[in-house]
Amino acid sequence: AQKITQTQPGMFVQEKEAVTLDCTYDTSDQSYGLFWYKQPSSGEMIFLIYQGSYDEQNATEGRYSLNFQKARKSANLVISASQLGDSAMYFCAMRESRDDKIIFGKGTRLHILP
Amino acid sequence: ETGVTQTPRHLVMGMTNKKSLKCEQHLGHNAMYWYKQSAKKPLELMFVYSLEERVENNSVPSRFSPECPNSSHLFLHLHTLQPEDSALYLCASSQLGVSYGYTFGSGTRLTVV
Repeated sequence: AQKITQTQPGMFVQEKEAVTLDCTYDTSDQSYGLFWYKQPSSGEMIFLIYQGSYDEQNATEGRYSLNFQKARKSANLVISASQLGDSAMYFCAMRESRDDKIIFGKGTRLHILP
Repeated sequence: ETGVTQTPRHLVMGMTNKKSLKCEQHLGHNAMYWYKQSAKKPLELMFVYSLEERVENNSVPSRFSPECPNSSHLFLHLHTLQPEDSALYLCASSQLGVSYGYTFGSGTRLTVV
């Protein structure tokens, strides 16, 4: 079974609208971390936001927020007031407590329309 | 210099060539990683080095050979590659622990001709 599932291969959103990118995860660990990364066409991977499994409040970083619903094992990324520069590939990822590595989803390609 | 530095940024090599990709970090991280990203495919984990010891090798063909001489440097040695090995190769580093994400390098775009 996939540990990270991103069900939206691609999305088109009008500029200035808010957008939600879906992510569900699967783990039996109590302690884990959830991450979102952005990959523009240049190829570099940019860290956006982190949520710890014990954090009670949703993480926020500027226009990015993580809608963390632990019981549903959901960690959706919300981008408010989207901009043309937000067009990129977005990856949801998880790190479990005893793992040396981070598990990535397959990504969602976001297109912001002018 | 901060962050993770990967060189070269672009590489074109013939199938009989030998080349190496280099990754360097001075963040004090104790784990380093190689990923392959082919067009329209998910990120593929290739190798994991934790505390300078290789802890994972994801069924990568032997024409890819990693080397981690110290905690700051990671190499990927390439020889007799195939055209399907053309991809973006990303290096990353991190501290160990659930709250630590990766810091990625800018990647090397490899084309095998």
